[in-house]
Amino acid sequence: EAQVTQNPRYLITVTGKKLTVTCSQNMNHEYMSWYRQDPGLGLRQIYYSMNVEVTDKGDVPEGYKVSRKEKRNFPLILESPSPNQTSLYFCASSSRQATYNEQFFGPGTRLTVL
Amino acid sequence: AQSVAQPEDQVNVAEGNPLTVKCTYSVSGNPYLFWYVQYPNRGLQFLLKYITGDNLVKGSYGFEAEFNKSQTSFHLKKPSALVSDSALYFCAVRDWETGANNLFFGTGTRLTVIP
Repeated sequence: EAQVTQNPRYLITVTGKKLTVTCSQNMNHEYMSWYRQDPGLGLRQIYYSMNVEVTDKGDVPEGYKVSRKEKRNFPLILESPSPNQTSLYFCASSSRQATYNEQFFGPGTRLTVL
Repeated sequence: AQSVAQPEDQVNVAEGNPLTVKCTYSVSGNPYLFWYVQYPNRGLQFLLKYITGDNLVKGSYGFEAEFNKSQTSFHLKKPSALVSDSALYFCAVRDWETGANNLFFGTGTRLTVIP
């Protein structure tokens, strides 16, 4: 089954404790992206990657890091989480073969930073 | 700069009635437009898209959307609403400024279908 998976689905942590949210897709997609969803703000892009070893900042990259060492994986790293990073996070992927870039989304990770 | 506006945070409609969820856009390149739906505790699911061609686009679950270039709108519609259509709906436009596959999303409209 074609899918985007994220782990963990739920995470409660404390300020300053480094964490990683994993994202993996099995569709051989070149493009991957991370979003955060907050009430009243919709989805805002954090980072994206056009292909292996190619990453770029989205609209709200501060406090986040990413890496793209393999095509299927695109982990999101919070080196020192803060309460304002409490949010719902989504990973997405799409094929660059299509000019109309429909994106496939993971199930989401709900993060709470105390 | 591009933008997507969903002017209604909440839309309520009675079951069996037609529904409309509004979206207007501003984009620097060709308007590639999308609708996604988010059910509770789920990720976003693709509903339909407009790239070119007919202004009326048909998508999943009986939804359709009408592209109106002069009004820069892409409203989502369904002739007869179901309770199961209750969800959060997002309009999105391709982000031409970054040259990537990026989408720029609206803030979402929560649709509630009342039995």
